[in-house]
Amino acid sequence: DVVLTQTPPTLSATIGQSVSISCRSSQSLLHSNGNTYLNWLLQRPGQPPQLLIYLVSRLESGVPNRFSGSGSGTDFTLKISGVEAEDLGVYYCVQSTHAPYTFGAGTKLELK
Amino acid sequence: AVQLVESGGGLVQPKESLKISCAASGFTFSNAAMYWVRQAPGKGLEWVARIRTKPNNYATYYADSVKGRFTISRDDSKSMVYLQMDNLKTEDTAMYYCTAIFAYWGQGTLVTVSS
Repeated sequence: DVVLTQTPPTLSATIGQSVSISCRSSQSLLHSNGNTYLNWLLQRPGQPPQLLIYLVSRLESGVPNRFSGSGSGTDFTLKISGVEAEDLGVYYCVQSTHAPYTFGAGTKLELK
Repeated sequence: AVQLVESGGGLVQPKESLKISCAASGFTFSNAAMYWVRQAPGKGLEWVARIRTKPNNYATYYADSVKGRFTISRDDSKSMVYLQMDNLKTEDTAMYYCTAIFAYWGQGTLVTVSS
């Protein structure tokens, strides 16, 4: 199974600070069809997850453009350019290139 | 607006069965692959099962942890997806979410397996 390693496990930030989360895969997430099925989700406390980024770097409709995704192959990054209070929660990367689909362990974003 | 509404969770004893449901609206359900994802209390997310669309013969896939015990199905005429869970174990205790290719999520239904 593909293992996704997220770092850091916890991130403390002040409002307005820019932060990055890393997601490294145990094998390439490039599908034979040319797509890389790596998504980023945010789960706020007591809420279901919501999709932020799909196909590595595509911003889901309605998601603020302070969120951006980048990477290829096995190394991926989510960047928040100017953290806002509503961004607090747990961020997960998830891959759907290889079955079974797998999630990273999560990165908890807290206020400093 | 897109809505996914899960139902059918509850408290069951080990080795018992339970069927949970998810009602979808606001998008073309028959065109969407559907997944079940679970989250044990205080833990991370775990993908459980996937069902593809009619053109893909409704193919199904499962996590190893549930293979042979859980069955995912769908009824496109009702915009419903189901998860039949048999021979439940205490480690199956979790919030179960249905999701359309991770883009849309329900609020979840809680399944507790305990004697």
